[in-house]
Amino acid sequence: GNSVTQMEGPVTLSEEAFLTINCTYTATGYPSLFWYVQYPGEGLQLLLKATKADDKGSNKGFEATYRKETTSFHLEKGSVQVSDSAVYFCALTNQAGTALIFGKGTTLSVSS
Amino acid sequence: NAGVTQTPKFQVLKTGQSMTLQCAQDMNHEYMSWYRQDPGMGLRLIHYSVGAGITDQGEVPNGYNVSRSTTEDFPLRLLSAAPSQTSVYFCASSNPSGQGVNEQYFGPGTRLTVT
Repeated sequence: GNSVTQMEGPVTLSEEAFLTINCTYTATGYPSLFWYVQYPGEGLQLLLKATKADDKGSNKGFEATYRKETTSFHLEKGSVQVSDSAVYFCALTNQAGTALIFGKGTTLSVSS
Repeated sequence: NAGVTQTPKFQVLKTGQSMTLQCAQDMNHEYMSWYRQDPGMGLRLIHYSVGAGITDQGEVPNGYNVSRSTTEDFPLRLLSAAPSQTSVYFCASSNPSGQGVNEQYFGPGTRLTVT
């Protein structure tokens, strides 16, 4: 079945540093890809998504490009802020297209 | 719109007790899912539903039952709680797109402790 692997954390950065969180996937067909963010004590919020190869999802300065040739969907941000401190989850649709499969999450801590 | 609501927010159970976690959505979404979140494990799918009267198992269904009698509600039942079911439970809903499930909207979660 479909699966996703994302880099393990924690990731610790200084404010204004460049962020990359790696995510690779294994899938049958052409799943949709997602990044979700979870702030402390809260549920998950959609950060961005891409539904086909070469699509770029973007939101709040974060970007990720659906790369079919490398089966990757890496999350990037050019200049992180303290408020970006959270857990980030990469996800893709399951094989039946009825639910999402999540990675284990990457904790990001940004200090001023 | 309230979105996806879950009750209770916190619950402590003794081993062997039963309980139902409630989930409701007011967005008329077809798909609903239950996940559990454990440290270092991400979110794992317990059960999901693609419409009223239709449910299916996810990755970790053992020890849990679900039913979906209405579009709005998708309760999760623990028949005989075990310490291994200590976790944070999230309910989510979505509508299908041309490529399967669309973005999911999550509830705030229920933190369950089984002693």
